[in-house]
Amino acid sequence: DQQVKQNSPSLSVQEGRISILNCDYTNSMFDYFLWYKKYPAEGPTFLISISSIKDKNEDGRFTVFLNKSAKHLSLHIVPSQPGDSAVYFCAARSASSGTYKYIFGTGTRLKVLA
Amino acid sequence: KAGVTQTPRYLIKTRGQQVTLSCSPISGHRSVSWYQQTPGQGLQFLFEYFSETQRNKGNFPGRFSGRQFSNSRSEMNVSTLELGDSALYLCASSLYGSGANVLTFGAGSRLTVL
Repeated sequence: DQQVKQNSPSLSVQEGRISILNCDYTNSMFDYFLWYKKYPAEGPTFLISISSIKDKNEDGRFTVFLNKSAKHLSLHIVPSQPGDSAVYFCAARSASSGTYKYIFGTGTRLKVLA
Repeated sequence: KAGVTQTPRYLIKTRGQQVTLSCSPISGHRSVSWYQQTPGQGLQFLFEYFSETQRNKGNFPGRFSGRQFSNSRSEMNVSTLELGDSALYLCASSLYGSGANVLTFGAGSRLTVL
């Protein structure tokens, strides 16, 4: 049972335009959400996060939106650059008895066309 | 500050063999988590260790095991390898206890089972 879903396996965007990556989750107890970017032959690197008490967080070209009622998370990249081409994973954190567990989505491969 | 180091980076085994993978976390990080990445499945959580204790475990068979040493270094072992165990195994460390608990990943160990 996939608790965190990224329904688009791939996305192509023209350089300079907006990239929107989406993520849906099923567990309303998730308290923290993160986005990671992964290049081939490298481990995922942390990009941006958002607490469940917020609905938006910005960091430069990257903005994450959280819609708790819809259990939906999205990452906006504006403007998109060729170096942004990578696989993006969303992750959700659940806390239980003082321990944390991170559930990752299946990833979306973003290709930014020059 | 050195990142998360995983060894070996690549290895090839045959069915029925066993394998041990190693992970050295960022200095000061006490939590180490392991993930399996396969095409189409994203990052699947294996287990998490903190202060030499397993605190969380994913839905993997008992052939997958791990441990953490007093210096926070961790190893995971897979016994009786199957073809389906071919994957990228990622280790991540975190401070655990800080607000964001962002996971920092290593580059991974790519296991191929023939």
